[in-house]
Amino acid sequence: DGGITQSPKYLFRKEGQNVTLSCEQNLNHDAMYWYRQDPGQGLRLIYYSQIVNDFQKGDIAEGYSVSREKKESFPLTVTSAQKNPTAFYLCASSMWGATEAFFGQGTRLTVV
Amino acid sequence: AQTVTQSQPEMSVQEAETVTLSCTYDTSESDYYLFWYKQPPSRQMILVIRQEAYKQQNATENRFSVNFQKAAKSFSLKISDSQLGDAAMYFCAYRTSRDDKIIFGKGTRLHILP
Repeated sequence: DGGITQSPKYLFRKEGQNVTLSCEQNLNHDAMYWYRQDPGQGLRLIYYSQIVNDFQKGDIAEGYSVSREKKESFPLTVTSAQKNPTAFYLCASSMWGATEAFFGQGTRLTVV
Repeated sequence: AQTVTQSQPEMSVQEAETVTLSCTYDTSESDYYLFWYKQPPSRQMILVIRQEAYKQQNATENRFSVNFQKAAKSFSLKISDSQLGDAAMYFCAYRTSRDDKIIFGKGTRLHILP
């Protein structure tokens, strides 16, 4: 099946540790996105990438980092510099040139 | 910067009735796309409907239709014959064709009353 896979579904980490969230797609999509969802805040864009080896900051990039070494993969690292990392994270992908985005099932990150 | 505003955090509608969810956006672009997404309790994001800014005709998908007012930068979603399965969070989204950035509103939680 074609789709977007985020793993794991639930992730627990201790405060001060970096953690990497996985996002893989086999839809041959050019663009990939990371969003953070908090209650009452909607989806806020963290980073997005239109092409391999290139990415742009979204509205809340501080404390996060990404890489795009392969078209299929767009991992997100939540660093210890992120003040409030506990949230639901959604990855999405789309064809280049303004079509709808397709979403993964999300990762719930809890930092204790 | 582009912004998307959903002014109704929560709404309720009686089953089989019609409900309209509001969305306004701010942009200086002329070429863009607008979307409504549904997020049920499973949290899976599902595309409901899309609208190209260059098209004057309002998009329709079965019981879902939009009222796109480009000059007013308004993009409301109308759900007809509401069903229990329509209960979800609904997000309005904007995408410019210039840089592929997709911006979402804060969402409207829709309750369906049996």
